[in-house]
Amino acid sequence: TQLLEQSPQFLSIQEGENLTVYCNSSSVFSSLQWYRQEPGEGPVLLVTVVTGGEVKKLKRLTFQFGDARKDSSLHITAAQPGDTGLYLCHGGATNKLIFGTGTLLAVQP
Amino acid sequence: NAGVTQTPKFQVLKTGQSMTLQCAQDMNHEYMSWYRQDPGMGLRLIHYSVGAGITDQGEVPNGYNVSRSTTEDFPLRLLSAAPSQTSVYFCASSYYGAGAGELFFGEGSRLTVL
Repeated sequence: TQLLEQSPQFLSIQEGENLTVYCNSSSVFSSLQWYRQEPGEGPVLLVTVVTGGEVKKLKRLTFQFGDARKDSSLHITAAQPGDTGLYLCHGGATNKLIFGTGTLLAVQP
Repeated sequence: NAGVTQTPKFQVLKTGQSMTLQCAQDMNHEYMSWYRQDPGMGLRLIHYSVGAGITDQGEVPNGYNVSRSTTEDFPLRLLSAAPSQTSVYFCASSYYGAGAGELFFGEGSRLTVL
């Protein structure tokens, strides 16, 4: 059974700080996505990575896919209160795609 | 654009009652899926479908049934509700089946089982 473990589970930081969130799998991903979810809403896609070693940047967010395609990280530079939310990785090796355990980020002004 | 539509948005059931959560999408997506989300946690996959007539179990399928008679609709049935099924349920759809496509979510259905 594939598991997607995220760390940390919860992160509370001050505006302007940097942070990294990790997603680790027990098996190889065919592709991996990162989503952000705000309270009362469904998750919204941030990025999709498909190639081992791939790095994608989205403004202050940097996403990295591990060389072996079993792990990924999300780095936020100079966090802002608008970054507050639940960050979820999502992926799998077949059509059975699952979400990670989630990282709840709170950015204090 | 309607996107993914879930009904009802809120429901209260008594233990042992049955109900169906409806999910419909108008984007001609082949892949549809159901998740439950408990407070402060990620989404757990209940069932998914890669096309009409094809369904499969996810991580937590016990107590739930699904069917996919059309591309547009993917209802989730609770045959005998239990308090452990109190949760927020999300339906999603995607054009691509194998993870490369973006998942589009409904607004969620909050279910309470007493």
